[in-house]
Amino acid sequence: AQSVTQLGSHVSVSEGALVLLRCNYSSSVPPYLFWYVQYPNQGLQLLLKYTSAATLVKGINGFEAEFKKSETSFHLTKPSAHMSDAAEYFCAVSERDTGRRALTFGSGTRLQVQP
Amino acid sequence: DGGITQSPKYLFRKEGQNVTLSCEQNLNHDAMYWYRQDPGQGLRLIYYSQIVNDFQKGDIAEGYSVSREKKESFPLTVTSAQKNPTAFYLCASTTGAGETQYFGPGTRLLVL
Repeated sequence: AQSVTQLGSHVSVSEGALVLLRCNYSSSVPPYLFWYVQYPNQGLQLLLKYTSAATLVKGINGFEAEFKKSETSFHLTKPSAHMSDAAEYFCAVSERDTGRRALTFGSGTRLQVQP
Repeated sequence: DGGITQSPKYLFRKEGQNVTLSCEQNLNHDAMYWYRQDPGQGLRLIYYSQIVNDFQKGDIAEGYSVSREKKESFPLTVTSAQKNPTAFYLCASTTGAGETQYFGPGTRLLVL
């Protein structure tokens, strides 16, 4: 069974600083990989996804992530944090080799942005 | 506008009561999903349906039931057998493997 590990349940950065949110997956076959963002009491919004093309994926709001098969990682980065980036971020995977298409989520990382 | 709607936004359940959460999508997606979100635990899959009149249990299906009589609708019933129902419930839909799952705004269920 696949699993997702997000290191750090809380991350705090200063406005303008680099954002790095870590995600590692465990799967025998490289899965589809996603990053979602959630604002309080709202649903999830897709930031970016990796399916099978370029390993460096660019998403919305200036975020990007790099798929590294050798490290089974898909870390999310943004060069310069903005106050509006404060939210909870979830890494998720779905299997390539079955039809289930459901997502397996990490436990989430809450990002705080200090002025 | 295309999207997923969930109702109600807040739902209160009395002990021993069954309650039903609504999920409707107008995206013409075949697959629909129900997830439960608890603080610090991410989202966990309750049930999913890949086609009308068919659905499968997810990882935490006990105490829940679903139906899929129409492509656009996938209601979730929280039964009295679910002893710890307080959570945020999210519905999602997608077209295919590797494709984006679109999420509704969620329903927060509280126990009186």
